[in-house]
Amino acid sequence: NAGVTQTPKFRVLKTGQSMTLLCAQDMNHEYMYWYRQDPGMGLRLIHYSVGEGTTAKGEVPDGYNVSRLKKQNFLLGLESAAPSQTSVYFCASSSPTGRGTEAFFGQGTRLTVV
Amino acid sequence: LAKTTQPISMDSYEGQEVNITCSHNNIATNDYITWYQQFPSQGPRFIIQGYKTKVTNEVASLFIPADRKSSTLSLPRVSLSDTAVYYCLVGDPGGSYIPTFGRGTSLIVHP
Repeated sequence: NAGVTQTPKFRVLKTGQSMTLLCAQDMNHEYMYWYRQDPGMGLRLIHYSVGEGTTAKGEVPDGYNVSRLKKQNFLLGLESAAPSQTSVYFCASSSPTGRGTEAFFGQGTRLTVV
Repeated sequence: LAKTTQPISMDSYEGQEVNITCSHNNIATNDYITWYQQFPSQGPRFIIQGYKTKVTNEVASLFIPADRKSSTLSLPRVSLSDTAVYYCLVGDPGGSYIPTFGRGTSLIVHP
């Protein structure tokens, strides 16, 4: 049981380049999230999804787009990367049933924009 | 959404008990209190959750007073490997709960 898997683990981009981060979960969770974490800071919510085909903006959505075409996958896109998007990105998932506040996290993607 | 306040940092020594308190004055009736632990270069992981009184598992204990306006995470006999950031979250598991993380408490355990 892999849980939440993020791809890639590391990436270096040049300013203006685009890329997509992939998050996959195998727990049949309804909810999925993308966070970013900067040094010494907590996690800030970028976008989230409460079900297949739905997405919503979080606290810091500018410069990012997301898609949830399949229940198990949540994609985070950067159309034109900027140095300010250098960060560690975490994906998470959870289920609204049972212990609904327990979120499971991926191992993170370290992105550097030069 | 209930806002939480917790200390930015704490220091302790191996073998001591550590108590981290979180304030959540405007907690709602259906809200639960959840704590996460994050090691460097890893995603947060769930450690304990409670609604009232006391909850204990193999990792920690969670104490919640009757008014539920605060909670205390207790780590017994900490070791160096307990050095991490600890986050307190409050939310209704039966609603459209979206986990919102503050800066957490950075615990450093010294030899």
